[in-house]
Amino acid sequence: NAGVTQTPKFQVLKTGQSMTLQCAQDMNHNSMYWYRQDPGMGLRLIYYSASEGTTDKGEVPNGYNVSRLNKREFSLRLESAAPSQTSVYFCASMRQGASTDTQYFGPGTRLTVL
Amino acid sequence: RKEVEQDPGPFNVPEGATVAFNCTYSNSASQSFFWYRQDCRKEPKLLMSVYSSGNEDGRFTAQLNRASQYISLLIRDSKLSDSATYLCVSLGSSNTGKLIFGQGTTLQVKP
Repeated sequence: NAGVTQTPKFQVLKTGQSMTLQCAQDMNHNSMYWYRQDPGMGLRLIYYSASEGTTDKGEVPNGYNVSRLNKREFSLRLESAAPSQTSVYFCASMRQGASTDTQYFGPGTRLTVL
Repeated sequence: RKEVEQDPGPFNVPEGATVAFNCTYSNSASQSFFWYRQDCRKEPKLLMSVYSSGNEDGRFTAQLNRASQYISLLIRDSKLSDSATYLCVSLGSSNTGKLIFGQGTTLQVKP
């Protein structure tokens, strides 16, 4: 039982390049989330998927797209990377339904855009 | 105004000290609250949920005051291993599970 896994762990891109961050969970959770975390700031929600087949924008969606491929996998795509997207990206999942539910996070992807 | 606000610190305390963190939230409709712990360059992990009646887990005590819209975390007998950033979190909607994070409070416990 690996929990939430993310690939890659580190990535360096040049401005304008594209890439996809992968996330998978093996806990049979309904909801999945993508966050970014910048120095001195809390985690900010980029996109989320409350259930398989649905996706919605979070607080900072511009410059990103997502795909909920199936119940297990939720990917984040940067079509044309910009230096402002240099950040640590965390994926999370949650069973959903009870107010006491908690989110479980992956280990993060550290992205640098030059 | 941020929806969840915390004093970023850092709080520098000696081993064995008692330290308290406060957090305020602006959305009175928020249903649930949590404290997460984040170690340097690692993912956040749930420390404890926060209930109106208050709850305790070993050296950690969490309190929720809905009237004043603040949440607290008390750590007794601080250990070196408690050094981390503590994130105050509210659950905006149980339907979507959208969590709102404070920016975190950094604790450094020194020998």
